[in-house]
Amino acid sequence: GENVEQHPSTLSVQEGDSAVIKCTYSDSASNYFPWYKQELGKRPQLIIDIRSNVGEKKDQRIAVTLNKTAKHFSLHITETQPEDSAVYFCAAHEEGGTSYGKLTFGQGTILTVHP
Amino acid sequence: DGGITQSPKYLFRKEGQNVTLSCEQNLNHDAMYWYRQDPGQGLRLIYYSQIVNDFQKGDIAEGYSVSREKKESFPLTVTSAQKNPTAFYLCASSIYRADTQYFGPGTRLTVL
Repeated sequence: GENVEQHPSTLSVQEGDSAVIKCTYSDSASNYFPWYKQELGKRPQLIIDIRSNVGEKKDQRIAVTLNKTAKHFSLHITETQPEDSAVYFCAAHEEGGTSYGKLTFGQGTILTVHP
Repeated sequence: DGGITQSPKYLFRKEGQNVTLSCEQNLNHDAMYWYRQDPGQGLRLIYYSQIVNDFQKGDIAEGYSVSREKKESFPLTVTSAQKNPTAFYLCASSIYRADTQYFGPGTRLTVL
C-alpha cells in the first residue's frame, strides 16, 4: 500500500517569513495530493490540492509543487500570519485495485507563526 | 463540509460497552469514510464505503463495525473488542471515491 512521509514534524517561523512542508510518497500510481489544515480540536479543512497532470498550483499565499519522478510534493506558505498556525497534513490518493479512492495521510506538521 | 454532521460531539464509554457514532451528510456524496486521530498523530482509516450496502476495511478496522444502509448515513460502532478506543473520530465524504474528501466536525470518545 501507499506510504506517505511528512517533514518536518514541527516548524516555527516569524510572521512574514515563508514556510515549506515536504512529503514523499511510495506508490507511483498515486495521482491526487491534497493538503489539509487542522486547528486545535477542529476538523481538517482542505486548503489546496494538486493532480499529477500539473507540476504547480497556487492560491494566493499558498502553493503546492509536485515532482512525480522523485515522488515528492511540497506546500509553500508565503508571508505567514499568526492565523496560519495549525497542524498541516499532506495526503496521497491510492489508485491500486481495491484501495482505489483511499487517502493515505502523512503524520502532520505543527506550524507555529510567531508575531 | 458544512453538510456533514457527526453526533455526539463528546462521548463517554465504560469499558465493555459498545457505542455508536453517527455520521450524516446531505451533500449527495457516494463515498464515506471513518478515520481515527490520536494526539499528535495523523489520520488512520478505519472503514470506507464507496456505495450503499458496500464497505471495505481500512488500516485499523479491528474492534469496529459499520453499516451503509442509506446513502446519507454511515454509522460507526466501537465495540468492546477495541482495546484502546479513546480518540478523536472523524467522518468524511466525497462525491465519488477518487475525489476530494470533506470532513465532519468529529466525535471525541473517552473510555472511563
